[in-house]
Amino acid sequence: GESVGLHLPTLSVQEGDNSIINCAYSNSASDYFIWYKQESGKGPQFIIDIRSNMDKRQGQRVTVLLNKTVKHLSLQIAATQPGDSAVYFCAECAGGGNKLTFGTGTQLKVEL
Amino acid sequence: EAGVVQSPRYKIIEKKQPVAFWCNPISGHNTLYWYRQNLGQGPELLIRYENEEAVDDSQLPKDRFSAERLKGVDSTLKIQPAELGDSAVYLCASSPGLNSPLHFGNGTRLTVT
Repeated sequence: GESVGLHLPTLSVQEGDNSIINCAYSNSASDYFIWYKQESGKGPQFIIDIRSNMDKRQGQRVTVLLNKTVKHLSLQIAATQPGDSAVYFCAECAGGGNKLTFGTGTQLKVEL
Repeated sequence: EAGVVQSPRYKIIEKKQPVAFWCNPISGHNTLYWYRQNLGQGPELLIRYENEEAVDDSQLPKDRFSAERLKGVDSTLKIQPAELGDSAVYLCASSPGLNSPLHFGNGTRLTVT
């Protein structure tokens, strides 16, 4: 299928290395953040979320870090695998509502 | 658990023609969203429903776009007439409540020629 990753920032990593994908969010009132993975021809898939009362949250092979001072979010993927190749989006939500605003995606390419 | 189901997967139409997309959310999810995703960009919200009520349609181009969610379950999004600039992937998502992850379908890829 046609890639949604054209013209996106690209991060290339070797298989087995750790990946760090960064995101700057815009709204200082945002209090809920989500990382999504999107493979070609598919919808965004939930990876991990974090609320503003936390600065770190870990999942299986993934860690999200939140720095509210500089409005920065990062996704760390440990031991990156070929199946991790996709476009990754951060999304923010403000005011307890359910309006999710997506950031610019990052294309992750895993090299064998 | 079945995910969000959308149909059709692909649609090619000529400009000025009407088109409709259908979405079946995850069972029990009261909140339903329609997003549009242009190539190389993140999804952008068009409309959000809480049950059958549209609670945020500020980004929906109401001159040509319409949506409905009868009985608070399935939803349809319609464009009439379609324009070349409407070519995009139209994504439906649902969630169980506030500050919960959205679950997306695989979208409908619309091409307007």
